[in-house]
Amino acid sequence: QVQLQESGPGLVKPSETLSLTCTVSGGSVSSGSYYWSWIRQPPGKGLEWIGYIYYSGSTNYNPSLKSRVTISVDTSKNQFSLKLSSVTAADTAVYYCARKVDWNYLYYFDYWGQGTLVTVSS
Amino acid sequence: EIVLTQSPGTLSLSPGERATLSCRASQSVSSSYLAWYQQKPGQAPRLLIYGASSRATGIPDRFSGSGSGTDFTLTISRLEPEDFAVYYCQQYGSSFFTFGPGTKVDIK
Repeated sequence: QVQLQESGPGLVKPSETLSLTCTVSGGSVSSGSYYWSWIRQPPGKGLEWIGYIYYSGSTNYNPSLKSRVTISVDTSKNQFSLKLSSVTAADTAVYYCARKVDWNYLYYFDYWGQGTLVTVSS
Repeated sequence: EIVLTQSPGTLSLSPGERATLSCRASQSVSSSYLAWYQQKPGQAPRLLIYGASSRATGIPDRFSGSGSGTDFTLTISRLEPEDFAVYYCQQYGSSFFTFGPGTKVDIK
């Protein structure tokens, strides 16, 4: 059973950089058919895809966040990470890491972490 | 960018009733790229349907998905108490993912 767990600060100051890590257990980030993703959900609102990374380091980001987002992977630790720079209150959200299936032209998120609330406030 | 619209915003039904949720795309979406998720308060989304009509592992057969092009439907044949939740559709197009705004199914 694959499990994903987010970790990182729950409070970030405006203009600073939000940093989160997702630790994967029960599976490997180096698996060929999967990409590793970040998705966020502002309180009381819907889901917004942030981006994903392949174990090789190849990335794809939401165009609306691309200038501020960096996703990286550490295969030795079986982790991947999110950095979001120049945050504002609008970046306050529950941040989820998730596994994206990429197989036979099927694209969806099958495993999700429990989510971590990040609040942007001084 | 492909925009997904879900209707209704809220669906008030009783246990045992049939729920029909709509997801409409602003442009044609490949069925392979259309998925449905269920989210309960304080929980992460849970995959229900992928490829527009394939049930994910462990999902009861009262959940079914259908549709093509710009119109997709999630049907819950007989609502169980644990099915009252928010449901999101998701698509992949133009190299990125978008989600619909969600339909809340609540108890009448």
